[in-house]
Amino acid sequence: DTAVSQTPKYLVTQMGNDKSIKCEQNLGHDTMYWYKQDSKKFLKIMFSYNNKELIINETVPNRFSPKSPDKAHLNLHINSLELGDSAVYFCASSQGSGARNSPLHFGNGTRLTVT
Amino acid sequence: QKEVEQDPGPLSVPEGAIVSLNCTYSNSAFQYFMWYRQYSRKGPELLMYTYSSGNKEDGRFTAQVDKSSKYISLFIRDSQPSDSATYLCAMKTGANNLFFGTGTRLTVIP
Repeated sequence: DTAVSQTPKYLVTQMGNDKSIKCEQNLGHDTMYWYKQDSKKFLKIMFSYNNKELIINETVPNRFSPKSPDKAHLNLHINSLELGDSAVYFCASSQGSGARNSPLHFGNGTRLTVT
Repeated sequence: QKEVEQDPGPLSVPEGAIVSLNCTYSNSAFQYFMWYRQYSRKGPELLMYTYSSGNKEDGRFTAQVDKSSKYISLFIRDSQPSDSATYLCAMKTGANNLFFGTGTRLTVIP
């Protein structure tokens, strides 16, 4: 039973298109995240939601818009895709926030390729 | 300068060797230190989680944190081919934001 699941696993699309990635966790966690992993394996946080409220919003182009309909779901919508958006996007979840934040549990990633 | 520096490798060792993986960091406010293992085409999975300085052992894995030197290490004893993966160090202050190293790619040769 997958704890953090993302769909789709692979996404190939053309520049200028709009696409969405979905994430669901069944761990009962109250905090969810989107991370971007570039070709050099560097993981960088993009957004974090705690109880459906945005708590971390790093310097990310406003073409990226997260949406959390409930605690168990965090989706990522990307408008006007660019070549540089090609990366692996990981969803993660944890329980609590701040110092009492538990370690992150990651999904298996969505490999986005923009052509 | 990145918050967390990690030698990307790659690192190749024979089966049974002791592996040492390291990270340095610049932010003295980091208090929570983690090591994640990432297999190819998979998400990172938590291996070790430590708070502040000291050692923590779990089976063949030992994590060390030296806050005075801003240096953390992961040791793998009796390495196995199944340990072949990318190892990512990560750390945070009391806030939610987790800072990752770039990962070290390890191959254990049978």
